[in-house]
Order: sequence, then C-alpha cells, then structure tokens
Amino acid sequence: TQLLEQSPQFLSIQEGENLTVYCNSSSVFSSLQWYRQEPGEGPVLLVTVVTGGEVKKLKRLTFQFGDARKDSSLHITAAQPGDTGLYLCAGAGGTASKLTFGTGTRLQVTL
Amino acid sequence: KAGVTQTPRYLIKTRGQQVTLSCSPISGHRSVSWYQQTPGQGLQFLFEYFSETQRNKGNFPGRFSGRQFSNSRSEMNVSTLELGDSALYLCASSYSNGVGYGYTFGSGTRLTVV
Repeated sequence: TQLLEQSPQFLSIQEGENLTVYCNSSSVFSSLQWYRQEPGEGPVLLVTVVTGGEVKKLKRLTFQFGDARKDSSLHITAAQPGDTGLYLCAGAGGTASKLTFGTGTRLQVTL
Repeated sequence: KAGVTQTPRYLIKTRGQQVTLSCSPISGHRSVSWYQQTPGQGLQFLFEYFSETQRNKGNFPGRFSGRQFSNSRSEMNVSTLELGDSALYLCASSYSNGVGYGYTFGSGTRLTVV
C-alpha cells in the first residue's frame, strides 16, 4: 500500500511569513500533484510534477519533486490570508489512474 | 467552461437505505473518478471509469458501486448504508487518466447517515 505522509499537520502563521510543507513516501510515484481545498469545496489542482528533481513555480508557491520521485515539498513565500486552506499532495503510480492522497496540511494565515 | 457538477450537494439517509450520487464531468473529459473524504481517513479512492468501463477500483466493499454513461456522466451507488459511510463524496474528471493532466474536482456530496 502506498502511503504519503505530510508534515506538518497544522500550521498557523502570520501574513508575510514563509513556510514549507513536506510530502514523503517510501514508494516511487510517476507523478505528484498538489491540491488546495477550502471548506465545503473540492480540492483544486495547483501543480503536477513528473520529473525527478523538477521545480515548478506558481507566483509565490514553489513546488519540488524529489530526485527519487518519493517526496515533494511546497514552499510559500510571504504567505497571505488567501493561502489559508487544506493542502494535499497526491501521487500517481505507473499508468494507474488512481491518486493516493497525503494526510493533508491545514494552513491558517492570519493578519 | 462549466466545471464538474455533483448532485445533490447534501443528503441525509437512514442506516440500511441506499443512495445514488451523480456526477457530470467537464465537457470532453472521459475519465471520472470517485473519492471518499472523511476526517479520519482523508481522501480515499473508490473507483475510476473511462469510456463507460471501470478502469480502476479501490479497497471498498461491494456495497459501493458505480457506472458511467455514454455521455461520460457517472453515478455511484451505496447500498445498505452504515453510519461509517457518512462522508464527503468527491467526483473528479480528467481528459485522460489524470496522471499527467491532473484532475478537476466537483464540490462534492455531503452524505450523512443517521
């Protein structure tokens, strides 16, 4: 069974601070996706990374896929209240179409 | 373009009943997946349909079933409901298999079993 552990589970920071969320597994994934979910809504795709060592930037968010494709990180620079939400990593193995979701990191950014 | 539409948004059912949830994917998307989200277990994969065929299945009992129609709309059914089936059921659609393209999720159906 593939498992994805995210850390930290909860993060409460002030506006303007930087943060990093980690997503780790003992399994290799063919691709890894990051989603953000707000209360009462479904997850929204932020990024997909497919190559080991790949780094993608989305405005203030930087995503990295580990060289061995077993782990990933999400770094947010100068967090804003609008970044508040549940961040989920999700891995896909081989050609299988199912996603294995991480345990989630709940982020709260206050003024 | 319209997003993924799930109906109903909220549902309250009694133990032992059955329920059918509906999902309309983004136009042109042929893959539809279903996930169950609970506070304790997080998001867990139920099954995926592509061109009316079940392509992948998660580790859920046979009480959970689904199907996909020729217009790519999908339904999932849960029979003999248990209290533990209370959850947010999410549908996600993708152009292909979602591995490279990513998934677009609907807002979910919140099922409460009493």
